[in-house]
Amino acid sequence: NAGVTQTPKFQVLKTGQSMTLQCAQDMNHNSMYWYRQDPGMGLRLIYYSASEGTTDKGEVPNGYNVSRLNKREFSLRLESAAPSQTSVYFCASSERWDRGRDTFGSGTRLTVV
Amino acid sequence: EDQVTQSPEALRLQEGESSSLNCSYTVSGLRGLFWYRQDPGKGPEFLFTLYSAGEEKEKERLKATLTKKESFLHITAPKPEDSATYLCAVQGSQGGSEKLVFGKGTKLTVNP
Repeated sequence: NAGVTQTPKFQVLKTGQSMTLQCAQDMNHNSMYWYRQDPGMGLRLIYYSASEGTTDKGEVPNGYNVSRLNKREFSLRLESAAPSQTSVYFCASSERWDRGRDTFGSGTRLTVV
Repeated sequence: EDQVTQSPEALRLQEGESSSLNCSYTVSGLRGLFWYRQDPGKGPEFLFTLYSAGEEKEKERLKATLTKKESFLHITAPKPEDSATYLCAVQGSQGGSEKLVFGKGTKLTVNP
């Protein structure tokens, strides 16, 4: 099935550990996004990639880095995890001209202890 | 700063009992207002895009409308499978075209 695939689905980290969240889409979309979703708050944009080879900060980029590996793949890295980064992370993709009609992955539930 | 407020936070309906969800927004130059459905443990699923006041979109039992200050998602004769959290988001013309501002959502429960 076409869509956005995220791995892993669940992860528990200790404070200070690092990890990379993987995202791949097979819809040939140019733009990809990383969001976090916290209880009582709306989805917030962490980083985005408008096209292959470019990345830009979103609303809450501190503590994260990203890599647009190719047109299909966009990864999110936590270099030194903190409890404040406990959240559900969603990757999404879209055509830039059709912003808002995003296709989301099923999410990664991350707990930092 | 662009803002989105959704109400109510939670809504319980009986099957067949029609109602509306509200999305109030403030934005500098609306480029689009979007509705999504999110099931537990899943990512949001796109439903509608509205671009200008007076516009309406329909899909099965759902109808989205837009004014200059708010959007409504009308649910007609809901079924239990309509139970989900409904998210509203806006895209403004300032602060970068990539940014969508999301509301916190309305959790809808439809009892059989």
